[in-house]
Amino acid sequence: AQSVAQPEDQVNVAEGNPLTVKCTYSVSGNPYLFWYVQYPNRGLQFLLKYITGDNLVKGSYGFEAEFNKSQTSFHLKKPSALVSDSALYFCAVRDRGSARQLTFGSGTQLTVLP
Amino acid sequence: DAGVIQSPRHEVTEMGQEVTLRCKPISGHDYLFWYRQTMMRGLELLIYFNNNVPIDDSGMPEDRFSAKMPNASFSTLKIQPSEPRDSAVYFCASSSNHAVLAKNIQYFGAGTRLSVL
Repeated sequence: AQSVAQPEDQVNVAEGNPLTVKCTYSVSGNPYLFWYVQYPNRGLQFLLKYITGDNLVKGSYGFEAEFNKSQTSFHLKKPSALVSDSALYFCAVRDRGSARQLTFGSGTQLTVLP
Repeated sequence: DAGVIQSPRHEVTEMGQEVTLRCKPISGHDYLFWYRQTMMRGLELLIYFNNNVPIDDSGMPEDRFSAKMPNASFSTLKIQPSEPRDSAVYFCASSSNHAVLAKNIQYFGAGTRLSVL
């Protein structure tokens, strides 16, 4: 079985400050990990993924995430937040050896304050 | 490519009526997924197809829900009869097993917001 936990329902950060959105996962094998963003009344948009290789993954809009196998984490980060980053963020996992479906976390609402 | 296209964007219906949601995946994608999003339950996978064949429908909540994919460019999710608790946003997503850079990435449609009165 595979699962994802996003421990924070809401994250608030001031514009220009660094942001972190937390994600931990559980899989029986090796994971594929993803971050998606959802703006109001829109579908989910892919931000970045970890498949293999470098633990630090860079994605769209200046976001990055670090895969930490020992802590089973894949936190999303950005050095300087923008008001336009305010959205709902989802972490997702898929066990590399399993079927195709992703398991999504419950989502974290990020609000960047001007 | 226009991306994943869902219709209608909004659907309001009365309890007991049949509802059909439609999805056109990205051309060339061989996987198609149906999700439901609610405040209470978050994002739930209902069913997914590979090469038009249903692979896992364990997320379909009840027999009132059914999904078909008659060809590679079209899928439907049907609820018959609909109930107020079916009110949610339904998303369709597609992905490719063959794309080198985009493998494993699911591309989502804009969703259908269903309200059952």
